[in-house]
Amino acid sequence: DGGITQSPKYLFRKEGQNVTLSCEQNLNHDAMYWYRQDPGQGLRLIYYSQIVNDFQKGDIAEGYSVSREKKESFPLTVTSAQKNPTAFYLCASSMGLLGGGQPQHFGDGTRLSIL
Amino acid sequence: QKEVEQDPGPLSVPEGAIVSLNCTYSNSAFQYFMWYRQYSRKGPELLMYTYSSGNKEDGRFTAQVDKSSKYISLFIRDSQPSDSATYLCAMSAPGNNRLAFGKGNQVVVIP
Repeated sequence: DGGITQSPKYLFRKEGQNVTLSCEQNLNHDAMYWYRQDPGQGLRLIYYSQIVNDFQKGDIAEGYSVSREKKESFPLTVTSAQKNPTAFYLCASSMGLLGGGQPQHFGDGTRLSIL
Repeated sequence: QKEVEQDPGPLSVPEGAIVSLNCTYSNSAFQYFMWYRQYSRKGPELLMYTYSSGNKEDGRFTAQVDKSSKYISLFIRDSQPSDSATYLCAMSAPGNNRLAFGKGNQVVVIP
């Protein structure tokens, strides 16, 4: 079945530690996205990538980094500079430009907590 | 003013009732409109996708877009307990793959 796989489902971070969240898709989508979801705040865009080896900052990129070396994969690193990392992280993908307006398809998220 | 406004609820209805959800927006360039359903501890799943104004029906779900009022709606007929979830509206403009999301509206269908 085609879809988006996020791992792990739960992740715990110690103070001063970097952690990496995995996102893999087999939908052959060009564009991929990372969102953070906090209670009462909706989805906030962290980073997005419209093509391999290229990515852009979203609205809340500080304290996060990404890479896009393969079309299928878009890992997100939460660095120690992110002072409030506890949240539900969602990865999404879409078909890419094609005139815009493409719906995004989501994985089932990774819940990150601070130890 | 936030680009997309959505009343977070929660909205509680008895089983079998019609659920009515809506979002307002400020960007007149938006042409693509989506509704997502999100169950607890899961990712959002695409429920409805419409382009420009008009209505779209899919089973018990109807999406309406009124571009003149910058207002979109989702109706769920004959609501079931399995419809209990958070519903998010999303929209985008041509040439732009970024989606603007509402904050989500929690719906509880009581058996």
